[in-house]
Amino acid sequence: DAGVIQSPRHEVTEMGQEVTLRCKPISGHNSLFWYRQTMMRGLELLIYFNNNVPIDDSGMPEDRFSAKMPNASFSTLKIQPSEPRDSAVYFCASRLRDSGVPLHFGNGTRLTVT
Amino acid sequence: QQQVKQSPQSLIVQKGGISIINCAYENTAFDYFPWYQQFPGKGPALLIAIRPDVSEKKEGRFTISFNKSAKQFSLHIMDSQPGDSATYFCAASSGNYQLIWGAGTKLIIKP
Repeated sequence: DAGVIQSPRHEVTEMGQEVTLRCKPISGHNSLFWYRQTMMRGLELLIYFNNNVPIDDSGMPEDRFSAKMPNASFSTLKIQPSEPRDSAVYFCASRLRDSGVPLHFGNGTRLTVT
Repeated sequence: QQQVKQSPQSLIVQKGGISIINCAYENTAFDYFPWYQQFPGKGPALLIAIRPDVSEKKEGRFTISFNKSAKQFSLHIMDSQPGDSATYFCAASSGNYQLIWGAGTKLIIKP
C-alpha cells in the first residue's frame, strides 16, 4: 500500500502565478478530500469528492481555487492567481467510504507564495 | 454547535509520565470520535477512535476515555516516550463525510 501520494512536496511561487497540486489516492478508496493547514486556522476542509464527483466545495476560499477529479486515481487542486495568503500546507486525504473509517492523509504540499 | 474544543494547546510531559489531552463537543449527533497524530512534515494519521456506546478504548499505551453525559472525551498516553512527541488532533463526525477537527495539541515529551 503506497498510501496517498501528493506532489510536489514543496512549491514556491510568486504572487499571480498559477499553482497546481496533485494527488493520487489509495486504490479502492472512493472518498477524497483536500484540506489546508495553517497555524492560525488549523485544518480546513476545502473540497470533498465521492466517486469522483464534487459533493461539498463550500470550503473553497474563492473562485481562485478549483479542484478536479477526472478519475478515481487522480485529483488536482489549482490556485489561479495565487496570493501570499494562500501560503499553507495542502493535504489530500482518501478513505474507503464516506464516514466512520480512517482518513488516510498524504504528506502534503507546502506552498509558499511570495 | 459544530465545534470541537481541544485543550491544552501545548503540553510538556516527562518521559514515563502520563499525557492527557481533552476535547469537548456540543452536537449530540456525533457518533464517531477519532484521534489523529501528526509528526512534522507528515500528514495526520489515525491513532485510535471510539464510538459513544463504550466509555473507554485502549490500544497499547493509548486510551480514549469517553463521557457521553459530559460530552467530553480525552486521550491518555501512558508511559509517554520521546517518540510520542507530535501534534494530536481530536475530531468528531455524525455519520457523514464531515470530520469536525479540534485545534490540535502540540505534545513534547522530555527525556
